Amino acid sequence: AQSVSQHNHHVILSEAASLELGCNYSYGGTVNLFWYVQYPGQHLQLLLKYFSGDPLVKGIKGFEAEFIKSKFSFNLRKPSVQWSDTAEYFCAVNRNNAGNMLTFGGGTRLMVKP
Amino acid sequence: GAGVSQSPSNKVTEKGKDVELRCDPISGHTALYWYRQSLGQGLEFLIYFQGNSAPDKSGLPSDRFSAERTGGSVSTLTIQRTQQEDSAVYLCASSLGGERHQPQHFGDGTRLSIL
Repeated sequence: AQSVSQHNHHVILSEAASLELGCNYSYGGTVNLFWYVQYPGQHLQLLLKYFSGDPLVKGIKGFEAEFIKSKFSFNLRKPSVQWSDTAEYFCAVNRNNAGNMLTFGGGTRLMVKP
Repeated sequence: GAGVSQSPSNKVTEKGKDVELRCDPISGHTALYWYRQSLGQGLEFLIYFQGNSAPDKSGLPSDRFSAERTGGSVSTLTIQRTQQEDSAVYLCASSLGGERHQPQHFGDGTRLSIL
């Protein structure tokens, strides 16, 4: 079935460590890609998005993601995490020929130890 | 400015009862979405409204679920004859337009518990 996969369900890091969260999708054709973050007790917030152009996208709070079309991937990265990055991260895709709804990955819970 | 507002924030009800969940989108946003977040299924799309077009209901899990959007603004999601598997957080989102590149802005959700 077509889907969005986040293979890391739980990640624990110490402050200042580098972060990379994987996201793969299985759709063909043109896609739009998003990363959302949900801090404890808060609503989903957009971190960054890719539609076209430069495949390396920079978002808020020092996050970036790289779209690699040949690998159907859109991995999220941050060179040095902070305790305040503790949250759940969701990758999402919408396809240009399949309506406006987002299809989400299962999420990755990140815990950053101070 | 104000974000997407959802009410109630929590709802506990008995199996078999009907529930109504409300969403007030960001002013000026023409597109409105309902999603459901549950432990077993993650985040799932339910229904999408864009302007005066017919809604995309392709994500509704059964005919017990329905939604309306009045006047192009406030939306109500109704679940009839609730079942325990309906327990979840129901999220509403809105976007400025129906273009796929427009990011969706989410509310805090309604946590629905079916006893």
